[in-house]
Amino acid sequence: EAQVTQNPRYLITVTGKKLTVTCSQNMNHEYMSWYRQDPGLGLRQIYYSMNVEVTDKGDVPEGYKVSRKEKRNFPLILESPSPNQTSLYFCASRPEQFYGYTFGSGTRLTVV
Amino acid sequence: QKEVEQNSGPLSVPEGAIASLNCTYSDRGSQSFFWYRQYSGKSPELIMSIYSNGDKEDGRFTAQLNKASQYVSLLIRDSQPSDSATYLCAATASGGSYIPTFGRGTSLIVHP
Repeated sequence: EAQVTQNPRYLITVTGKKLTVTCSQNMNHEYMSWYRQDPGLGLRQIYYSMNVEVTDKGDVPEGYKVSRKEKRNFPLILESPSPNQTSLYFCASRPEQFYGYTFGSGTRLTVV
Repeated sequence: QKEVEQNSGPLSVPEGAIASLNCTYSDRGSQSFFWYRQYSGKSPELIMSIYSNGDKEDGRFTAQLNKASQYVSLLIRDSQPSDSATYLCAATASGGSYIPTFGRGTSLIVHP
């Protein structure tokens, strides 16, 4: 089944404890993105990648890192999480720039 | 700042009626437009893509695009309670990596 897989689905962590949210797609898509979704603010892009080793900042990149060492994987790293990073996170992929995204199931992160 | 505007709703329609969802975008160079459906607590799901002026039909869904007015709409015919969800409009930015900008979504409620 063609899909974007995110893990974990739920995560509660403490301020300052480094964490990684994994994302993997099995559709051989070139483009991958990370979004966060907050009530009243909608979907905001954190980082995106156009291919292996090619990444760029989105609208809200502060406090996040990404890497794209393999085409299928695009992990999101929070080096020192803070409570304002409590949010619902989505990974997404698309085959080419004019196509819509396929989203993962989401990761609900709570930072206390 | 590239923006996509949607009325937050909720839009309430009776079962069997036509639901009309609207969206305007600010980037005149946008070339690709998408509608996503998002059930509460779930990830966005791509339901329609449209690239040229006019109508595009897929089952009960019709997407309409008017680039001169910078306006996109989604019509849902024979609305069902299962259509109750938030509908997100997205437009890809012109140039560069064609990153989509998402609206904040319109909540649709279909009541029996």
